[in-house]
Amino acid sequence: DAKTTQPPSMDCAEGRAANLPCNHSTISGNEYVYWYRQIHSQGPQYIIHGLKNNETNEMASLIITEDRKSSTLILPHATLRDTAVYYCIVSSTSGTYKYIFGTGTRLKVLA
Amino acid sequence: GAVVSQHPSRVICKSGTSVKIECRSLDFQATTMFWYRQFPKQSLMLMATSNEGSKATYEQGVEKDKFLINHASLTLSTLTVTSAHPEDSSFYICSAIPRGGWDEKLFFGSGTQLSVL
Repeated sequence: DAKTTQPPSMDCAEGRAANLPCNHSTISGNEYVYWYRQIHSQGPQYIIHGLKNNETNEMASLIITEDRKSSTLILPHATLRDTAVYYCIVSSTSGTYKYIFGTGTRLKVLA
Repeated sequence: GAVVSQHPSRVICKSGTSVKIECRSLDFQATTMFWYRQFPKQSLMLMATSNEGSKATYEQGVEKDKFLINHASLTLSTLTVTSAHPEDSSFYICSAIPRGGWDEKLFFGSGTQLSVL
C-alpha cells in the first residue's frame, strides 16, 4: 500500500508558487521522501528528494516538517508546462528498494 | 543525467500473441529495475522488481507466468506479456536505480502503450 496521501487536484495561477502537500505519517527513519511528476502518457520525471533537511534544486524546493510526517513541494514560479500529476513517494534505501506510487495530485496551472 | 530507454513506445498486437518490452539503462549500471503498469487516469502500479542475475519478485496479484521478466545484464531488463488479451492493454513503464549509493533515485523509461486487439 502507498505510504503517502495527497490531495487529488490543485489549481495554480501561472507565475505563482505552487505548493503541493504530502502526508507520510508512517515514514520510518531510513526512508527518503521523493517527488516525481508525470505528464500525460510519459514516464515519471524525477523532481527532488530529501531525508530530513529542506532541499532545493533548479526545479523545486522540498520542505520536510521536523517530525518528517509531512512535506511540501514548492514550484516557485509555476508555468503552463508544470501541469502534470505530482507523486510523493517514500522509500527506504536499505534492503529492497520499493517505490509504491499513491494517487498523486493533478496540478493544473492556469493562464 | 541517467537515461532509461524503453522500447517499443507503442505496440498493437492480436489477442493470443506475446509481446516483449525492453528496458535499457544507457549510461549507468542497474542491479535493480522495476516494472509498472498504468491504466488510464490511474496511478502507477508496481508489478515486479527485477534483479540482475536472479528471479524477479512479483507483487501480489501479478501472474509471473503471464508477465515474464528477465534481467540478464546490468543494463537490460525485459518484460514479456505472454498470450496477451485485451485486458492486458495498458501503459507499461520500467524504471531503474543506478548501482550503489544511499539515496539513489529512480529513473523511468518513457513507457510502452500496449493495445491488444
